[in-house]
Amino acid sequence: QKEVEQNSGPLSVPEGAIASLNCTYSDRGSQSFFWYRQYSGKSPELIMSIYSNGDKEDGRFTAQLNKASQYVSLLIRDSQPSDSATYLCAVKEYSSASKIIFGSGTRLSIRP
Amino acid sequence: DVKVTQSSRYLVKRTGEKVFLECVQDMDHENMFWYRQDPGLGLRLIYFSYDVKMKEKGDIPEGYSVSREKKERFSLILESASTNQTSMYLCASSLVDSNYGYTFGSGTRLTVV
Repeated sequence: QKEVEQNSGPLSVPEGAIASLNCTYSDRGSQSFFWYRQYSGKSPELIMSIYSNGDKEDGRFTAQLNKASQYVSLLIRDSQPSDSATYLCAVKEYSSASKIIFGSGTRLSIRP
Repeated sequence: DVKVTQSSRYLVKRTGEKVFLECVQDMDHENMFWYRQDPGLGLRLIYFSYDVKMKEKGDIPEGYSVSREKKERFSLILESASTNQTSMYLCASSLVDSNYGYTFGSGTRLTVV
């Protein structure tokens, strides 16, 4: 059973600080990785995708991938109250043409 | 703006009713998925379809069936609704290789009483 593991939180970060969200995965052959943001009562929204080792930056968000360690992270700089949400890590299965495995999410709370 | 549209945002049904949840996408995506999401259990895959009239069971297909007669539409059917099927239901779609991730609909919160 392929797995994607996240700390459920809640992770509490002061406004303006860096929030760091982490994820590990079990499928060593996986090549595509995603971060989704989900506000309470809403559906998940794709915010970052990463395919190569290293960092990928998009505005205040940076995704980091280390395939050797099977580790993905998301950094949110200058955290805002609007960043308070659950963040889902997702990994595309190597053996499947189309299936993506989701972690159970980390709840992030930005305190003013 | 590309979309995945779920027909109902909130739905209340009685135990034993047959329930249809509809999902339509306008992105010409090959793959479509149905998930349910419950507190503490994350997203659980019910069924998915990679082509018209094709379907595969996900992790929790019991009590559900699906229909995909057209590429843009994927329906989830609860044959005889039960209270333990009260949940948030999420439809998603993707390109054939899912390399760009899934796009989710806004969800249907179903309550079975």
